[in-house]
Amino acid sequence: GAVVSQHPSWVICKSGTSVKIECRSLDFQATTMFWYRQFPKQSLMLMATSNEGSKATYEQGVEKDKFLINHASLTLSTLTVTSAHPEDSSFYICSARTGLSYNSPLHFGNGTRLTVT
Amino acid sequence: QKEVEQDPGPLSVPEGAIVSLNCTYSNSAFQYFMWYRQYSRKGPELLMYTYSSGNKEDGRFTAQVDKSSKYISLFIRDSQPSDSATYLCAMSSNQAGTALIFGKGTTLSVSS
Repeated sequence: GAVVSQHPSWVICKSGTSVKIECRSLDFQATTMFWYRQFPKQSLMLMATSNEGSKATYEQGVEKDKFLINHASLTLSTLTVTSAHPEDSSFYICSARTGLSYNSPLHFGNGTRLTVT
Repeated sequence: QKEVEQDPGPLSVPEGAIVSLNCTYSNSAFQYFMWYRQYSRKGPELLMYTYSSGNKEDGRFTAQVDKSSKYISLFIRDSQPSDSATYLCAMSSNQAGTALIFGKGTTLSVSS
């Protein structure tokens, strides 16, 4: 089955530093990847849509200068949390569609738990 | 009213029980319905994917969609302790560029 790999699985960083999270599609090419954020006991909230070779589309309320997204190839998208603060501590999950249809199901990575101290 | 409503539980059942998980929604444009299972500290795993109304069965799992009532269900037969997880419903419309909308998830605990 489709596999989306995310790295690292957890990271602790100090306030003010930046953290990069990688999302790879291992057995398929993904022109579009999605980045979600999940707080404890809350649902997944879409942060941005990452498009290969073009700028990401951010959801309302998500700071594009704080959450930098790069999708340089068909198998890799990265999310960089810049100048991290404790309120950025959360579970970040990437996902991708295996099919070409925009309604084909999403497959998710195993997430990255970020703790900012 | 939120677009997708899902009772967060927790739901506790004994091993072997039939489990019923449900979501209601308000957007009549939703056409694609999914159920994901999420274990603690892991990403969601796709369980079932259905289009429009009807039933779909896969092993011990059955997904039902009733578009007239804007209600979807996931049934788990012969539940196992390994089914203990959070189950999220998700749905989308038939319009390009629309994102998946998730329910908050129902936490299920199956005791042996």
